[in-house]
Amino acid sequence: QVQLVESGGGVVQPGRSLRLSCAASGFTFSRYGMHWVRQAPGKGLEWVAVIASDGRDKYYTDSVKGRFTISRDNSKNTLYLQVNSLRAEDTAVYYCAKDMSIGAAAYHFDYWGQGTLVTVSS
Amino acid sequence: EIVLTQSPATLSLSPGERATLSCRASQSVSSYLAWYQQKPGQAPRLLIYDASNRATGIPARFSGSGSGTDFTLTISSLEPEDFAVYYCQQRSNWPLITFGQGTRLEIK
Repeated sequence: QVQLVESGGGVVQPGRSLRLSCAASGFTFSRYGMHWVRQAPGKGLEWVAVIASDGRDKYYTDSVKGRFTISRDNSKNTLYLQVNSLRAEDTAVYYCAKDMSIGAAAYHFDYWGQGTLVTVSS
Repeated sequence: EIVLTQSPATLSLSPGERATLSCRASQSVSSYLAWYQQKPGQAPRLLIYDASNRATGIPARFSGSGSGTDFTLTISSLEPEDFAVYYCQQRSNWPLITFGQGTRLEIK
């Protein structure tokens, strides 16, 4: 069965960095686009970034452009999110999510990890 | 940015009743709309994609309808496990993906 397991979250001071990881199994990772979606405590869902199946195309929501970098290692079935210059408003649970379409991303998410909490606080 | 407005914010119903949740888009999203269910402490779960297609393993009591700017998620007869928060999400103008603010379905 499909499994997505995030790690790398924690408490970090404003301006610092973290690298989030998402280990995937149960499907052919290299054939699907992958996304990060976040949820601030008690709030709704916010899409953050997407990476194409081959890693070439990447897109970000405006609020994280220039600070976050999405990447993947298809040989390790792992998705990453490098988060730099963290701000208080980046505090959230970060979910990795599998795109439901093979090849070109469909931007609907059929499997989600359990999430990893990033808390930005001094 | 396409804004999705969900209504009502909270819906109070009893098991066995019919639930009707609404999602309105600020401009047409064609049929590129999905619905997710989220229970406390859990990740969201895809219920419906492209407005009316049930995702794998989703019970038939869940159905989606609509196109353009107005969409509905209907749960025909509520089961105890259906009480949760529901989000709509559009993919029409990717990569500018947006979610609605959510509807909380609570037990009356």
